[in-house]
Amino acid sequence: GAVVSQHPSWVICKSGTSVKIECRSLDFQATTMFWYRQFPKQSLMLMATSNEGSKATYEQGVEKDKFLINHASLTLSTLTVTSAHPEDSSFYICSDGTSGAKETQYFGPGTRLLVL
Amino acid sequence: AQTVTQSQPEMSVQEAETVTLSCTYDTSENNYYLFWYKQPPSRQMILVIRQEAYKQQNATENRFSVNFQKAAKSFSLKISDSQLGDTAMYFCAFKVDSSYKLIFGSGTRLLVRP
Repeated sequence: GAVVSQHPSWVICKSGTSVKIECRSLDFQATTMFWYRQFPKQSLMLMATSNEGSKATYEQGVEKDKFLINHASLTLSTLTVTSAHPEDSSFYICSDGTSGAKETQYFGPGTRLLVL
Repeated sequence: AQTVTQSQPEMSVQEAETVTLSCTYDTSENNYYLFWYKQPPSRQMILVIRQEAYKQQNATENRFSVNFQKAAKSFSLKISDSQLGDTAMYFCAFKVDSSYKLIFGSGTRLLVRP
């Protein structure tokens, strides 16, 4: 299947700062990528769908101005958590939904964010 | 709206034995896909097995197989000859043919005992 990387794997930041997480599709061109959030011992919650060359589509209840998504190339999507607060601390995972075997999403290794 | 239900929060199995994880889903769609993903302690999501709804034959991947009952909207995962490395969180997921969106169940935590 497709290979997806994320950077950084973990980050600690102060409250009020912004954090950028990168998601790369390493072996395929990804026109669509997905961003998920996962709290401890819970399932994945879809935050938004990242579309190459156009605006992201956000799920209900996800603040667009809080979680900025940019998909400027076919191999890179970024999620920026703006003015981070402790409640934004979570595990963020991206996936590539358009590469490799059709209908199958391949996931990045995730990014642990801790906001102090 | 589509939903995925995993009714077993935790399961435990002895090494080398067989265990079955349950998953049910609800949809009015006819064309869809079902998946089982494994999330070990590293938290990397790994595809275990996938099933196309239009295929009657149950999918199999080495020690992993599914029991797909379309009429009952059931999609259980059987792990044979359980290994310690199978210890992980297992998520059942659903996707309709017309959408990229994956819908996940709440997960089942599997512990393989030595």
